[in-house]
Amino acid sequence: AQKITQTQPGMFVQEKEAVTLDCTYDTSDQSYGLFWYKQPSSGEMIFLIYQGSYDEQNATEGRYSLNFQKARKSANLVISASQLGDSAMYFCAMRAGGYQKVTFGTGTKLQVIP
Amino acid sequence: EAGVTQFPSHSVIEKGQTVTLRCDPISGHDNLYWYRRVMGKEIKFLLHFVKESKQDESGMPNNRFLAERTGGTYSTLKVQPAELEDSGVYFCASSSWTSGFQETQYFGPGTRLLVL
Repeated sequence: AQKITQTQPGMFVQEKEAVTLDCTYDTSDQSYGLFWYKQPSSGEMIFLIYQGSYDEQNATEGRYSLNFQKARKSANLVISASQLGDSAMYFCAMRAGGYQKVTFGTGTKLQVIP
Repeated sequence: EAGVTQFPSHSVIEKGQTVTLRCDPISGHDNLYWYRRVMGKEIKFLLHFVKESKQDESGMPNNRFLAERTGGTYSTLKVQPAELEDSGVYFCASSSWTSGFQETQYFGPGTRLLVL
């Protein structure tokens, strides 16, 4: 079974600052993929970034980067230069084994302060 | 290109009634998923269609839930009879077939169901 843990229910960050959202995962599979999704107040889930378990480099997508520490089983999302539009719920998720279904964490609500 | 759409956006029903949620995936996407988020908890997988076939329905909570995907296009999720614990946000997601784990699932805005 797979499990995702997000220990920060809510976070505040000053505009233009960087913020790290924590995510740890648990799986017995050697092959897996890790995802981050953003859910603004409008409700849709927006895919942000992907990291494969065999990827040697941390994934980056614009202002988003994934700090992947395999030995610690952590996949933290780093948002650089926060913007007001970054205020949203952020979900860490994983796919592992032979399953296509995605396992989600409980989410972190990020609020960017002007 | 239109994204995943879901209807209705909100539904308020009484316990014991029936509700049908609809999902229209992105055109051409063979994979269609249903997820549910109960208030304050994680988003949980319900089931997965590949075209019109149920590939994995291990997350369906009980036999009050019935999902269909006629012709491999849109999908419906019926809850009959609805119970209080069915309240939550029901998400639909779709993806095209890719190998490996980097299959991006595109989510709809969800249907907020409240059972009174």
